[in-house]
Amino acid sequence: NAGVMQNPRHLVRRRGQEARLRCSPMKGHSHVYWYRQLPEEGLKFMVYLQKENIIDESGMPKERFSAEFPKEGPSILRIQQVVRGDSAAYFCASSPPSQGAMSGANVLTFGAGSRLTVL
Amino acid sequence: LAKTTQPISMDSYEGQEVNITCSHNNIATNDYITWYQQFPSQGPRFIIQGYKTKVTNEVASLFIPADRKSSTLSLPRVSLSDTAVYYCLVGDTGRRALTFGSGTRLQVQP
Repeated sequence: NAGVMQNPRHLVRRRGQEARLRCSPMKGHSHVYWYRQLPEEGLKFMVYLQKENIIDESGMPKERFSAEFPKEGPSILRIQQVVRGDSAAYFCASSPPSQGAMSGANVLTFGAGSRLTVL
Repeated sequence: LAKTTQPISMDSYEGQEVNITCSHNNIATNDYITWYQQFPSQGPRFIIQGYKTKVTNEVASLFIPADRKSSTLSLPRVSLSDTAVYYCLVGDTGRRALTFGSGTRLQVQP
């Protein structure tokens, strides 16, 4: 049973280009989360999605960033017109469907991350 | 969401027990406490989760006092490979995604 798969592992873009990061959740997991991590910093929540539905995007920058999790295929984090400040590691995590209150908080399984470098 | 506070860094030696305490004063009734470990250039990895009292697995123990306003991750007999960043998270099933704090950077020396 493969874990959370992210690709590409490394992506280099020039300023103004678009970056697309893909995430395939673990089998049986219906929730996907995206986090961003700058060097030597903690993980910043970006967006939480279920199939065809954005549950919480409070951590997403208002412009240039978007995410989707279609009925078929991986979740995609899209960054348009990248700037140098977008250079970071982007981690995807997945979790199984919630079992209801008091059954434990969602345990996240993380992928290895996609490292974006903007020149 | 409950905010968490952890020490920024800790140092230890191989074979010692390490205790990392996390404060979460405004934890809600339905919130669980979860700890993750992250090595450089890797995604975080789940270590342990608990609600109250004590939880133990093959990797660590988690101690949670009755008021649940703090929790302590205990790593028995650490080795060099335990050098990593440890994150404490507080949250509930089905709510918005868990928010990671700055974590505790543990350095284990020979």
